[in-house]
Amino acid sequence: AQSVTQLDSQVPVFEEAPVELRCNYSSSVSVYLFWYVQYPNQGLQLLLKYLSGSTLVESINGFEAEFNKSQTSFHLRKPSVHISDTAEYFCAVSRSGYSTLTFGKGTMLLVSP
Amino acid sequence: DTAVSQTPKYLVTQMGNDKSIKCEQNLGHDTMYWYKQDSKKFLKIMFSYNNKELIINETVPNRFSPKSPDKAHLNLHINSLELGDSAVYFCASSQDAGPRSSPLHFGNGTRLTVT
Repeated sequence: AQSVTQLDSQVPVFEEAPVELRCNYSSSVSVYLFWYVQYPNQGLQLLLKYLSGSTLVESINGFEAEFNKSQTSFHLRKPSVHISDTAEYFCAVSRSGYSTLTFGKGTMLLVSP
Repeated sequence: DTAVSQTPKYLVTQMGNDKSIKCEQNLGHDTMYWYKQDSKKFLKIMFSYNNKELIINETVPNRFSPKSPDKAHLNLHINSLELGDSAVYFCASSQDAGPRSSPLHFGNGTRLTVT
């Protein structure tokens, strides 16, 4: 069965600093990987996804993630964060053969001035 | 227009009661889901329906009964509510049930508090 580990429950950073949110997965089959963002009192929104092809995927708001098969990782990075990036970030892996997602426990990104 | 809408947004009730949460999607998707998010923000799949048929049923107590009258609706009925049922319940949908079918579109959640 697939599982996702997000080691950091909270990551505090200052505005305009770079950030990396870590995600490792375990699966015995090919996987599809995702990052979702949850703003307070809202549902989850897709940030970016890896299905196949280039291992580096980017979002429209400056985030990127790199699929690393040898390290079974899919870390999320942003070179310069904004206050508005403060949110909970979830890494997820698709269940083999299905669209159902298994989520990590989330990482709270706290951006302060 | 809200793509995935859930009602109610908040639900406060006493132990032992029966309650329902409704979900509707206007995206024309074939597949719908219920996820539970606990107090530590952990999200776990409960059920998944594809074209009104149950395809994923996790180890959820049988007090929870999903119903899909058509592929645009997936409701969740909970009998004999317990304190541990307090959580945020998210409905979601996707184009189909295949693994490349993301993204899942989520509703804004229903915060259930059992007292």
